[in-house]
Amino acid sequence: DTAVSQTPKYLVTQMGNDKSIKCEQNLGHDTMYWYKQDSKKFLKIMFSYNNKELIINETVPNRFSPKSPDKAHLNLHINSLELGDSAVYFCASSQDLLGIYRGLGYEQYFGPGTRLTVT
Amino acid sequence: AQSVTQPDIHITVSEGASLELRCNYSYGATPYLFWYVQSPGQGLQLLLKYFSGDTLVQGIKGFEAEFKRSQSSFNLRKPSVHWSDAAEYFCAVGLYNTDKLIFGTGTRLQVFP
Repeated sequence: DTAVSQTPKYLVTQMGNDKSIKCEQNLGHDTMYWYKQDSKKFLKIMFSYNNKELIINETVPNRFSPKSPDKAHLNLHINSLELGDSAVYFCASSQDLLGIYRGLGYEQYFGPGTRLTVT
Repeated sequence: AQSVTQPDIHITVSEGASLELRCNYSYGATPYLFWYVQSPGQGLQLLLKYFSGDTLVQGIKGFEAEFKRSQSSFNLRKPSVHWSDAAEYFCAVGLYNTDKLIFGTGTRLQVFP
């Protein structure tokens, strides 16, 4: 069974369109994340949610809006797509937001990624 | 500011040779350190992590890493590389007072037969 899954795997769209990427985890984790990996393979966190509550919101254009209908799902909606949004977007989950606070070592499990190409 | 540096962008080794991938971090507090591997077209898989205790950490696929506080390093090693180890390797530091992971820029490993 896939632990963290994302759909679609590939997404090609034109500038100005609105698109969504879906993420689901079946690990029973409380925390989910979105990362962006640029063309140079640099990974940067965008958002994190804990039990449907937004926790981390990095400096991301407000065209990006995460939505968590329940703690097993975290979707990413992008409005008015731009060329610079082309990247691979990874979803991840971890057992508990406070894992690092407590020194408990909760690692993040990553999905396979969604390659977004904006033309 | 917190940062992770992987000085080697690209490393090429022969199958069966030993491997060491370098990682240096800059972080004022106790670091939580991770190594992830990304195979082509795949997501990231955790190889190993260091939170506390023994500074030599064993991971999956025969990898190990050693935390050296004095050198702010967390280098990844493998005694004998297999062709299937060809991938991108990322070092990351977890920030103690947040839930963020700061990633290095990655090291691409090529393995020749």
